Amino acid sequence: DQQVKQNSPSLSVQEGRISILNCDYTNSMFDYFLWYKKYPAEGPTFLISISSIKDKNEDGRFTVFLNKSAKHLSLHIVPSQPGDSAVYFCAASGGSGGSNYKLTFGKGTLLTVNP
Amino acid sequence: AAGVIQSPRHLIKEKRETATLKCYPIPRHDTVYWYQQGPGQDPQFLISFYEKMQSDKGSIPDRFSAQQFSDYHSELNMSSLELGDSALYFCASSIMTGGGSPLHFGNGTRLTVT
Repeated sequence: DQQVKQNSPSLSVQEGRISILNCDYTNSMFDYFLWYKKYPAEGPTFLISISSIKDKNEDGRFTVFLNKSAKHLSLHIVPSQPGDSAVYFCAASGGSGGSNYKLTFGKGTLLTVNP
Repeated sequence: AAGVIQSPRHLIKEKRETATLKCYPIPRHDTVYWYQQGPGQDPQFLISFYEKMQSDKGSIPDRFSAQQFSDYHSELNMSSLELGDSALYFCASSIMTGGGSPLHFGNGTRLTVT
């Protein structure tokens, strides 16, 4: 059962426009959410995170929004740049049965930013 | 800045052979995680260690074992390899502080079982 879902396998946007990547989760015990960016042949790179006590976190061009009641989060990239083209993974931690710090990943969204 | 180092980057083994993957965490990180990512799949949590003790266990087959050594590096030992073990294996490290702790990933070991 996929506890973290990224329903869009791919997204294509024009350079300078906004990219919005979405993520839904089912486990209400998750209390910390992260976005990772992954280039081919590299490991996931941490991008931005948000705690469940917040509904927004911003870091430069990247903003993550969390809607706990809807169990939904989104990553906004403004303005999008060609170098942002990568696979973006949504991840969550917390929950029962063990470490609060192991991550459960979504399947990723391939973002392509066209010049 | 120092990152998580994994070796080897690529490994080719035959069925029923054994493989050992190594991970060197970021200095001063006390927690190591192992993930397996199959083709087109999301990374799946295998196992984690905090201060050299196993802290959590995920979908790790009984044929696999892992440990964290006194210098905090970790090794994932895989025996009786099967074709389905072909995947990208990521190691990540973090500091086990209160609250959320972003995991920092290495570039992975690509294991191919033939």
